Amino acid sequence: GAGVSQSPRYKVAKRGQDVALRCDPISGHVSLFWYQQALGQGPEFLTYFQNEAQLDKSGLPSDRFFAERPEGSVSTLKIQRTQQEDSAVYLCASSFGDREDNQPQHFGDGTRLSIL
Amino acid sequence: AQKVTQAQTEISVVEKEDVTLDCVYETRDTTYYLFWYKQPPSGELVFLIRRNSFDEQNEISGRYSWNFQKSTSSFNFTITASQVVDSAVYFCALSEIGNYGQNFVFGPGTRLSVLP
Repeated sequence: GAGVSQSPRYKVAKRGQDVALRCDPISGHVSLFWYQQALGQGPEFLTYFQNEAQLDKSGLPSDRFFAERPEGSVSTLKIQRTQQEDSAVYLCASSFGDREDNQPQHFGDGTRLSIL
Repeated sequence: AQKVTQAQTEISVVEKEDVTLDCVYETRDTTYYLFWYKQPPSGELVFLIRRNSFDEQNEISGRYSWNFQKSTSSFNFTITASQVVDSAVYFCALSEIGNYGQNFVFGPGTRLSVLP
């Protein structure tokens, strides 16, 4: 597709369940970012991939959060044993160059996660 | 301390009015980038502009203009002759590069409502 695609668009899970969120970046984009956006706030950085390498995971809030991009294209953000505070919109973005190039990031529509 | 401050939480204007969205940032790096993104109700963040720290020239793009002033650490965004379609949340963001690592931070956003 032409843009960044995220699925599912909405996810409802019970507290304690595991969830997996998918991001399909723009073809050929080297960099992939995950952000968490709480209601009424700006996106907060979670993790960064350069191709298949996860170079920065400093924003992951706990060891329940895990991300991968095994072939340097599609990425999955997994949250284990979900908690209510995990409820947020999870945004994925990709850019053409390395993060240091500071090229514009192209965002998907996000996955709205609700933990009951 | 917040690295990116957008003091205006919400702004309402009537169509055709001009409106300025404020952004103040904080960084110790001499090399950095500033961005503005628009988030319409659909949720996808749309890139508007990127400016590096060495380029203080103001920029105009149609009805949009940006005023970058390093002396006051501000990067303000003005919409001239606002339209209903401009209604969205606008985020200012800072990307730092340097001795303190790579850091991409969004401000809290300003919700702009343009009334017909």
